[in-house]
Amino acid sequence: KQEVTQIPAALSVPEGENLVLNCSFTDSAIYNLQWFRQDPGKGLTSLLLIQSSQREQTSGRLNASLDKSSGRSTLYIAASQPGDSATYLCAVKSRTGNQFYFGTGTSLTVIP
Amino acid sequence: GAVVSQHPSWVICKSGTSVKIECRSLDFQATTMFWYRQFPKQSLMLMATSNEGSKATYEQGVEKDKFLINHASLTLSTLTVTSAHPEDSSFYICSASEERGGTGELFFGEGSRLTVL
Repeated sequence: KQEVTQIPAALSVPEGENLVLNCSFTDSAIYNLQWFRQDPGKGLTSLLLIQSSQREQTSGRLNASLDKSSGRSTLYIAASQPGDSATYLCAVKSRTGNQFYFGTGTSLTVIP
Repeated sequence: GAVVSQHPSWVICKSGTSVKIECRSLDFQATTMFWYRQFPKQSLMLMATSNEGSKATYEQGVEKDKFLINHASLTLSTLTVTSAHPEDSSFYICSASEERGGTGELFFGEGSRLTVL
């Protein structure tokens, strides 16, 4: 069974720093990988979607990379802002079937 | 991007009553929707996979008679918490992915906070 791990579980950085969040998965047979953001008491907002054939995706200050062979993805946030404070989750979609596997998330705090 | 709407966003009910939560895909057809439960400061717990026109698939440990799921159309799935008790108080979230010719991207509703008195 696919297992998704996110490290660190929590991260606190001063405003303006660049940071990297990590996501690893055990089965490389994935259809895609998605990064989400969740604010307290809210649903999840899709940030970036990387198809299995892609290596990276960018949106504004966010850049996500995918290395299927090593079972890793990173989410890079440039010039962090207090508004980036949230929990970030990654999820992989299985290649076969319609199943999604979630990491436990990284809680990010950006200190003004 | 695609939008999933969930309603109500919060509900308070008395113990023993039933509560229905709706999940709608607004601009795409969702043959499959997912229902999750989330406890404070914890990750999502998949409760069941809702399949349009057929029975839902429940995860181990989730009572199907307690959490009734109906996926009557390609844009609507409902979760009914029957005879709710205080221990059912939680944050419930639905999601759907664009499967037919889509990217497989997963979209989430805004979540529904249930408080059972």
